[in-house]
Amino acid sequence: DAMVIQNPRYQVTQFGKPVTLSCSQTLNHNVMYWYQQKSSQAPKLLFHYYDKDFNNEADTPDNFQSRRPNTSFCFLDIRSPGLGDAAMYLCATSRGLVGPRGQFFGPGTRLTVL
Amino acid sequence: GQQLNQSPQSMFIQEGEDVSMNCTSSSIFNTWLWYKQDPGEGPVLLIALYKAGELTSNGRLTAQFGITRKDSFLNISASIPSDVGIYFCAGHPSNNAGNMLTFGGGTRLMVKP
Repeated sequence: DAMVIQNPRYQVTQFGKPVTLSCSQTLNHNVMYWYQQKSSQAPKLLFHYYDKDFNNEADTPDNFQSRRPNTSFCFLDIRSPGLGDAAMYLCATSRGLVGPRGQFFGPGTRLTVL
Repeated sequence: GQQLNQSPQSMFIQEGEDVSMNCTSSSIFNTWLWYKQDPGEGPVLLIALYKAGELTSNGRLTAQFGITRKDSFLNISASIPSDVGIYFCAGHPSNNAGNMLTFGGGTRLMVKP
């Protein structure tokens, strides 16, 4: 089945220790997104890739970076995680920005910062 | 920026009851999407709406794109325990050049067997 896969599902890191979260998709969608979701809140968009073009949201901290080496994979790098960065991180994909079936979300990676 | 006001914030209902939730905005939206999120999982798309006045069903779920393009509702008929979760509305505002999704604050649904 075509899907969005996120690894790992749970990640524990130490304060200030860099961490990378990964996302892969078999949908062949050209747009990939990273969202941050804190408890019981709506997902908050961090950035997205439209093909190879990177688009950062204005209020995304510099601490967050992303890489998209090919169509299928996208990575979220947190350079120096703080306690406030503990959250669920969701990857999503779509065909175009207003895809015919909306955005497909992965299962998320829950990040804990000690 | 655009805001989506989703209500109610939470609902606690008896199994078998019908449920209604809605989203409103002061801005015009081009699309409305309804997602369900189970604990520890990502949101799953339930219904997508693309035209004003559109009424779409998916099993026991029915959603409508408001005529004014500023609101949408989701109805769940004959609720069952597995309907428990957080429901998010989302949409593409017409005046957002970036065409990013705007999310409502979510409705937490609890169903008592």
